[in-house]
Amino acid sequence: SQQGEEDPQALSIQEGENATMNCSYKTSINNLQWYRQNSGRGLVHLILIRSNEREKHSGRLRVTLDTSKKSSSLLITASRAADTASYFCATDANDYKLSFGAGTTVTVRA
Amino acid sequence: EAGVAQSPRYKIIEKRQSVAFWCNPISGHATLYWYQQILGQGPKLLIQFQNNGVVDDSQLPKDRFSAERLKGVDSTLKIQPAKLEDSAVYLCASSLMPATNEKLFFGSGTQLSVL
Repeated sequence: SQQGEEDPQALSIQEGENATMNCSYKTSINNLQWYRQNSGRGLVHLILIRSNEREKHSGRLRVTLDTSKKSSSLLITASRAADTASYFCATDANDYKLSFGAGTTVTVRA
Repeated sequence: EAGVAQSPRYKIIEKRQSVAFWCNPISGHATLYWYQQILGQGPKLLIQFQNNGVVDDSQLPKDRFSAERLKGVDSTLKIQPAKLEDSAVYLCASSLMPATNEKLFFGSGTQLSVL
């Protein structure tokens, strides 16, 4: 079964706007990672946040983690057409399996 | 740095036939993963290797799927016989850090269609 669940399933925004997507999970985790997948391609690692961290930044990406609510959010600022992709959260729980959610599909309109 | 190589890129077979996928991870990466991604879903772990030993294969349908990683480098995943529900993208990934699941590098995958 999948540990993480992304919300929303799909998101359509105008170029230049910000995109926010959320991930909720069920059990305690060691870390949470976000990956991007362009159509027909493999996944690309974006950012990792550990269970003792609350916020991380990488370029235009901002990730937060709230372990009390078992949730994380990924914010993409000033979106570009190249950000059009599916975004997946992946949780590394105490069972040492990396489990992916079903993803959020983001479309950035020019 | 070369990425994770997978072949073939596409494969179409009929049900009950056999198929094999090949993966060559990034040089020096000890951990290798095979994931199955059904259309519209996230990747599901099939098997995870640490060097040439199996770390986790709890979600591998062992009656029809098999995988090996000889010499701790490249790996093959086989399905025999294939079923319609095996239609999916099979993704191989590798990671550098042993005993952790941090920062996986994925190949482009093999898209399998079972008719």
